Amino acid sequence: IAGITQAPTSQILAAGRRMTLRCTQDMRHNAMYWYRQDLGLGLRLIHYSNTAGTTGKGEVPDGYSVSRANTDDFPLTLASAVPSQTSVYFCASSDRDNNEQFFGPGTRLTVL
Amino acid sequence: GQSLEQPSEVTAVEGAIVQINCTYQTSGFYGLSWYQQHDGGAPTFLSYNALDGLEETGRFSSFLSRSDSYGYLLLQELQMKDSASYFCAVRGLTGGGNKLTFGTGTQLKVEL
Repeated sequence: IAGITQAPTSQILAAGRRMTLRCTQDMRHNAMYWYRQDLGLGLRLIHYSNTAGTTGKGEVPDGYSVSRANTDDFPLTLASAVPSQTSVYFCASSDRDNNEQFFGPGTRLTVL
Repeated sequence: GQSLEQPSEVTAVEGAIVQINCTYQTSGFYGLSWYQQHDGGAPTFLSYNALDGLEETGRFSSFLSRSDSYGYLLLQELQMKDSASYFCAVRGLTGGGNKLTFGTGTQLKVEL
């Protein structure tokens, strides 16, 4: 692994189903982030974690939850998916005091 | 809260110089970043301005004026591969880490 990986690459999901998007980084970065990207709205922060064991809410956290059990992994869970959660989801990481964020390749999620 | 405004689209010819503007409203921030995103790809970091003035990195330069709540990305000697979306983002003062609020992005089209 080099950098950040996300899985799955894409997914079609029925409304009401539970879904976990996976994110793993091997750069030993302290901080990790989840964004969603919708056409015309740019990237919006869902949840973040400044260090393992801690998480925080971003701009659009409703309907999503995260955990940070260790440094490398930062899964995002949709407990009961709704069509408005159709989006491209990007995971990112950074050193706590570094201004550069490194992004994963993204997960394209469609909720029907 | 924080909000950033960018033009939605800019078109320029190969070899030219183009400036992408970003105006923001924020209660306070550490600095202004710029990211590039090609269609279907992940955002990648271009530059960061913590202080007022110009930062130069090869063909790309970025400028910040806190007194004017304004910044811009300058791309010189445009190449076809520069066709992409460009996002400005501010690193907020609250929440710790490197939380970013992104603008809605500017799609740059480079023509022959």
